[in-house]
Amino acid sequence: KAGVTQTPRYLIKTRGQQVTLSCSPISGHRSVSWYQQTPGQGLQFLFEYFSETQRNKGNFPGRFSGRQFSNSRSEMNVSTLELGDSALYLCASSSQVGSFSYTFGSGTRLTVV
Amino acid sequence: AQSVTQLGSHVSVSEGALVLLRCNYSSSVPPYLFWYVQYPNQGLQLLLKYTTGATLVKGINGFEAEFKKSETSFHLTKPSAHMSDAAEYFCAVSVSNSNNDMRFGAGTRLTVKP
Repeated sequence: KAGVTQTPRYLIKTRGQQVTLSCSPISGHRSVSWYQQTPGQGLQFLFEYFSETQRNKGNFPGRFSGRQFSNSRSEMNVSTLELGDSALYLCASSSQVGSFSYTFGSGTRLTVV
Repeated sequence: AQSVTQLGSHVSVSEGALVLLRCNYSSSVPPYLFWYVQYPNQGLQLLLKYTTGATLVKGINGFEAEFKKSETSFHLTKPSAHMSDAAEYFCAVSVSNSNNDMRFGAGTRLTVKP
């Protein structure tokens, strides 16, 4: 079956702009989590959605937001982009919250200039 | 709060040699421990996990790890390295089944020499 699909794969934005990233989970998976990966901070948890509800949230400013649709697809949005937002954003899906059996997508590499 | 330290940001081994990637954790309660692998331009793939029960955990691709509470360690090993094992490896710790408290190590890049 198809894996976790993240689009776009690469993105270049200017400071102050906003961006929306998309994640389509594995069919049947209802939990979607987002992570930010940077060389300096490593992997950090952003948020988790299950059945269109945000279940958990990491320690990120309010400029970072997300949502999940009824078909389990998820989007994350970053407003007023800063240079420090440049990172690889990873999405992971699982069949349930807390299963620890996450499948990760290949990520979206965002560069803010 | 829980944390993970991976000793050695880069490890290089010859093909066929033993792979040993070190991970030490800090946690005030019994932890859940994980090893993930990341290939270039890819997401993370779960290699193995320890939640409860047997302390020697076998994972995919011939990897295994042993939970040693007395040493607060969860080192990853593979008896014989293959060229395809070259990747970045992440150790992670959690103290609940909620991933907002999962903490990842900084990663260890494994190079396999022919």
